[in-house]
Amino acid sequence: DTGVSQNPRHKITKRGQNVTFRCDPISEHNRLYWYRQTLGQGPEFLTYFQNEAQLEKSRLLSDRFSAERPKGSFSTLEIQRTEQGDSAMYLCASSDDTGLAGWETQYFGPGTRLLVL
Amino acid sequence: AQSVTQLDSHVSVSEGTPVLLRCNYSSSYSPSLFWYVQHPNKGLQLLLKYTSAATLVKGINGFEAEFKKSETSFHLTKPSAHMSDAAEYFCVVSNRDDYKLSFGAGTTVTVRA
Repeated sequence: DTGVSQNPRHKITKRGQNVTFRCDPISEHNRLYWYRQTLGQGPEFLTYFQNEAQLEKSRLLSDRFSAERPKGSFSTLEIQRTEQGDSAMYLCASSDDTGLAGWETQYFGPGTRLLVL
Repeated sequence: AQSVTQLDSHVSVSEGTPVLLRCNYSSSYSPSLFWYVQHPNKGLQLLLKYTSAATLVKGINGFEAEFKKSETSFHLTKPSAHMSDAAEYFCVVSNRDDYKLSFGAGTTVTVRA
């Protein structure tokens, strides 16, 4: 059973640079979510996909953030012109809204920790 | 909008003694409630969930939680703590017609030998 995987696990970048993270969900899960977790806080919802369609974006997701899920499988999250405030753990989760567990049972990846210098 | 409040930011217990993590929720609808655990450098793992069936929910690793509508609470307990229970615990709520989970701020559990 391969769970949700995320790459890279860690990323250090300089302010102003662009970064891209990848998430591979559990196969056949049609929903994919991105969350952001800052130190000492719980994860906060950023956006989610149902198959390849991005259905909702949080106000936390500024114009510098873009997410894609081109074939309804893996997803990428890109941050352009990074700022120090973007430093956080970026978590990906997937779920299957057609299964018994429902969309609410989300399986999380290990996260990508971003540090912007 | 739904939200959860975890009443303790940090709980310290001795190995072998009971653990109690407190969570109150706010929801306009009949909520689903979850507890997740996060060990250092690992992903969030689902401990248990409540979705309007039995109010006492049993989860993995000996944890259980009780849904009390009158108190809007969903406290997590374990009768005997183990060293491996040291981690961050999150109480989570969703409104079932919604699309996202709302996390509490977390409770850090330390277990003393």
